[in-house]
Amino acid sequence: DAGITQSPRHKVTETGTPVTLRCHQTENHRYMYWYRQDPGHGLRLIHYSYGVKDTDKGEVSDGYSVSRSKTEDFLLTLESATSSQTSVYFCAIKTSTDTQYFGPGTRLTVL
Amino acid sequence: QKEVEQNSGPLSVPEGAIASLNCTYSDRGSQSFFWYRQYSGKSPELIMFIYSNGDKEDGRFTAQLNKASQYVSLLIRDSQPSDSATYLCAVTADSGNTPLVFGKGTRLSVIA
Repeated sequence: DAGITQSPRHKVTETGTPVTLRCHQTENHRYMYWYRQDPGHGLRLIHYSYGVKDTDKGEVSDGYSVSRSKTEDFLLTLESATSSQTSVYFCAIKTSTDTQYFGPGTRLTVL
Repeated sequence: QKEVEQNSGPLSVPEGAIASLNCTYSDRGSQSFFWYRQYSGKSPELIMFIYSNGDKEDGRFTAQLNKASQYVSLLIRDSQPSDSATYLCAVTADSGNTPLVFGKGTRLSVIA
């Protein structure tokens, strides 16, 4: 599992509330990613990081922010959750051989 | 816009047959190609990667790459019901900051 954990694994929240999802890795990889996966859309990149405090936007970054204050943690924040952000969120890391591994996922429901 | 196209399926094959999964990509500069398997409710898991034209074999899996045709495929020999899953193709142009671009996946169903 490449030492990736995500928390929480499941969350139900209400529209307008802030939500933070955490991705933690144990192997010091430089690159980390946040994706969302929805039926009919596949995996879509939200944000990614290429080092501590170095982040960039993906294709569906609106409504999301990220932070990476230390190598092992990459946080995804929904400042004010909306129903359209109901999804399964996956964190991933990229190794030195360019292979990408995924965490177990977080199922988020916004009511 | 870099795109990766896959037939959504479902692709149904009988147990023991060869399953052939196909993927085309739009960026001619793509250098690295990956196949992931995703069971329902689970995260994608890496099956194979291929960088050079030709075939790469790993057990029952063979990845085939044709950069001139911008085409990559995955063959699964002796398909088993446990191979039933969604298979994702992913492509990237380089080993730097460029993220993987994923196809939407092909759902494979192996019938016992």
